Amino acid sequence: DAKTTQPTSMDCAEGRAANLPCNHSTISGNEYVYWYRQIHSQGPQYIIHGLKNNETNEMASLIITEDRKSSTLILPHATLRDTAVYYCIVRVQGYALNFGKGTSLLVTP
Amino acid sequence: EPEVTQTPSHQVTQMGQEVILRCVPISNHLYFYWYRQILGQKVEFLVSFYNNEISEKSEIFDDQFSVERPDGSNFTLKIRSTKLEDSAMYFCATTELGWGTDTQYFGPGTRLTVL
Repeated sequence: DAKTTQPTSMDCAEGRAANLPCNHSTISGNEYVYWYRQIHSQGPQYIIHGLKNNETNEMASLIITEDRKSSTLILPHATLRDTAVYYCIVRVQGYALNFGKGTSLLVTP
Repeated sequence: EPEVTQTPSHQVTQMGQEVILRCVPISNHLYFYWYRQILGQKVEFLVSFYNNEISEKSEIFDDQFSVERPDGSNFTLKIRSTKLEDSAMYFCATTELGWGTDTQYFGPGTRLTVL
């Protein structure tokens, strides 16, 4: 799997958009970009994934650059409950998830 | 919304004892995974299982570990002789398909403490 690079930590004010960047410059054509988050020691929670096109669901939006070398996860209106570690993972379908250290997002009142 | 469940939530055992961790997948899911997370460290892949066979395993998954699907619902991870370093959170994940759109959904985890 391609390696990803994420900032170690970020802050965001409650109610504002949280934009979490991820670099994956060595991504292959058949690799998807997945985002998960983990609150405390709970099980990782799936957020969103995409291949080439931008994606949106009820939790977040995923913006993938045209060259696919980077992406941004957007939480449109962050709440205190969005405080978590966010993982950007690039993988081929059917294989295990390779978790890195992720970005620790702190949402402040 | 269907969820992956895991039992027990917390297991305390003595070094050298056998433990079995259980997972109940989402009902139409056919592809199963175990991951672990040592306190303060990354989530690490252990093994994947499909059609009653191991599909992929990491170097962590040595002869002390085994997986099986003893009935139509449970998916288990057995550690034959636990070591202190096996203390970790163990997460089960399941997915509907092995290929195509195969998002993995995780259970809440079992905290294993080896004394």
